[in-house]
Amino acid sequence: SYVLTQPPSVSVAPGKTARITCGGNNIGSKSVHWYQQKPGQAPVLVIYYDSDRPSGIPERFSGSNSGNTATLTISRVEAGDEADYYCQVWDSTFYVFGTGTKVTVL
Amino acid sequence: EVQLVQSGAEVKKPGESLKISCKGSGYSFTSYWIGWVRQMPGKGLEWMGIIYPGDSDTRYSPSFQGQVTISADKSISTAYLQWSSLKASDTAMYYCARQGQGSWFDPWGQGTLVTVSS
Repeated sequence: SYVLTQPPSVSVAPGKTARITCGGNNIGSKSVHWYQQKPGQAPVLVIYYDSDRPSGIPERFSGSNSGNTATLTISRVEAGDEADYYCQVWDSTFYVFGTGTKVTVL
Repeated sequence: EVQLVQSGAEVKKPGESLKISCKGSGYSFTSYWIGWVRQMPGKGLEWMGIIYPGDSDTRYSPSFQGQVTISADKSISTAYLQWSSLKASDTAMYYCARQGQGSWFDPWGQGTLVTVSS
């Protein structure tokens, strides 16, 4: 089965840039979606089709995907961005979520 | 507004059966797949399965095949997740989510917490 690997945690100071990676075999050939989940809340889609933003998601959130790594970038990080982030792909028949990354704002 | 509203929290004993629901509104319920996702306490997201309410076509993750049943009643715009015999290891938050035009999920329901304890 297809596996998506994320770093368990990323720490970033306010105003700086956070980069969250999602590793998978030839993930660049798949469409990657990203979700933000704050404590006690349901996940929210923040990036779809590698780099598209749903309406209402700040431009500070961006995505890229190439080779074996997809990346979610959060620019000018704010305290409210502190959350767990998950990548997700569709692999032929199944939907796969990444292992999740906790973003801590210092 | 597209919305998915799930049924309330449940506390059950091992061996009991359970059916939780997810009601869609604000869109054509029969035209979009609805997925179910498990989140065990302190853990990540796991895709369980998905159903197309238009014709009840259903797909399961191998990890959940035979463990749960996914169904839908399009007359009331509601999808279901059910267990015939719960185990303590089924204790988790369960989310439903609508699959978008691509393979992403948006929006998500608020979640249903299932606690299985003797």
